[in-house]
Amino acid sequence: GQQVMQIPQYQHVQEGEDFTTYCNSSTTLSNIQWYKQRPGGHPVFLIQLVKSGEVKKQKRLTFQFGEAKKNSSLHITATQTTDVGTYFCAGGPYNQGGKLIFGQGTELSVKP
Amino acid sequence: EPEVTQTPSHQVTQMGQEVILRCVPISNHLYFYWYRQILGQKVEFLVSFYNNEISEKSEIFDDQFSVERPDGSNFTLKIRSTKLEDSAMYFCASSYLTGSYEQYFGPGTRLTVT
Repeated sequence: GQQVMQIPQYQHVQEGEDFTTYCNSSTTLSNIQWYKQRPGGHPVFLIQLVKSGEVKKQKRLTFQFGEAKKNSSLHITATQTTDVGTYFCAGGPYNQGGKLIFGQGTELSVKP
Repeated sequence: EPEVTQTPSHQVTQMGQEVILRCVPISNHLYFYWYRQILGQKVEFLVSFYNNEISEKSEIFDDQFSVERPDGSNFTLKIRSTKLEDSAMYFCASSYLTGSYEQYFGPGTRLTVT
């Protein structure tokens, strides 16, 4: 079946270092979304990418969608302790009723 | 800001019992979803619902599961005969449109089957 793989599973960084998580889908996606989940919390929408090769920025966060619409990345510049949490990519297949296929998530910890 | 609400926050039930998890989606949203997350694992899609019918479901969503929108505001997930492996956090989500639109997640119901 359709799968979305995400690496790494864990990332421990020193505050101020950069962080990147990568996502790869087994099938072409109509869109990819990124969510952040704090410990004990629920997924919170960060951004959505729709177009091939699209790049979007939100302050220190940069999101990319690959040309083939099968891979994506999230890069955080100069991490802060408030960035702590698990970052999930979620792929939206074509014509599947809004279904999102989540990656396994990357748990980010930031040491002050 | 409008939000999705879910009740109860925690449900403990015995194996074989029926449970109903309740959600109130955002009022002008048209698409509704259930996901589950086993502790420490990824979020898994269960079902999507639009116009009073299921539009997509996963292999997890077998005959033991059903969804309903009994009135204009509630969206429910019923598990007919719970199993130990149904223990998970269940998230409801809603979106205004489907496809390339963000989904707003509720806080979740933690279901514990003993």
